[in-house]
Amino acid sequence: KAGVTQTPRYLIKTRGQQVTLSCSPISGHRSVSWYQQTPGQGLQFLFEYFSETQRNKGNFPGRFSGRQFSNSRSEMNVSTLELGDSALYLCASSLQGAVTGELFFGEGSRLTVL
Amino acid sequence: AQSVTQLGSHVSVSEGALVLLRCNYSSSVPPYLFWYVQYPNQGLQLLLKYTTGATLVKGINGFEAEFKKSETSFHLTKPSAHMSDAAEYFCAVSGNTGGFKTIFGAGTRLFVKA
Repeated sequence: KAGVTQTPRYLIKTRGQQVTLSCSPISGHRSVSWYQQTPGQGLQFLFEYFSETQRNKGNFPGRFSGRQFSNSRSEMNVSTLELGDSALYLCASSLQGAVTGELFFGEGSRLTVL
Repeated sequence: AQSVTQLGSHVSVSEGALVLLRCNYSSSVPPYLFWYVQYPNQGLQLLLKYTTGATLVKGINGFEAEFKKSETSFHLTKPSAHMSDAAEYFCAVSGNTGGFKTIFGAGTRLFVKA
């Protein structure tokens, strides 16, 4: 059974650009959550999608957005990149949802903003 | 609102010694509690979880944790550390307030000395 796949694994952008990250969940999982991981802030919740609907959103500015497609694949987009957006972005899928269910994480997309 | 506090950002033990990683949570409703482990350049992997029932939870790789409601704690233990246990460990809480999300602690990096 394939795990959670995130693409790209590494990317470098410059300030002001935008970026789109992709996440393919485990087959059958309808919940996809996104987290930002940085050394200073740890794991910060971005948002969760379940069956194409955003169920919850963390405390991030509107530059951070996401969506989920009918096949449960999810994308997140960050516009007008800032230096502080440099981080490891982790996607996690879940069968039962992000409350009671185990989260299965991908290896992350490491974004560097110059 | 829910929150998680992990005591000690770094813990160092000798190989064969007891591992104790501390976690306290705050939740206004019965929580779901988790421990995840992250190895370098990888996503997080579930070690164990508490939802309902027995308060002593056994996980993978010989780890276990005990849910103590009176102390709002969910400490992780392993009787005998192995070099391969060196990693970062995250305690997490979720529940039906605050939306569908799992909140993570800041993490504790475990070092194992030969």
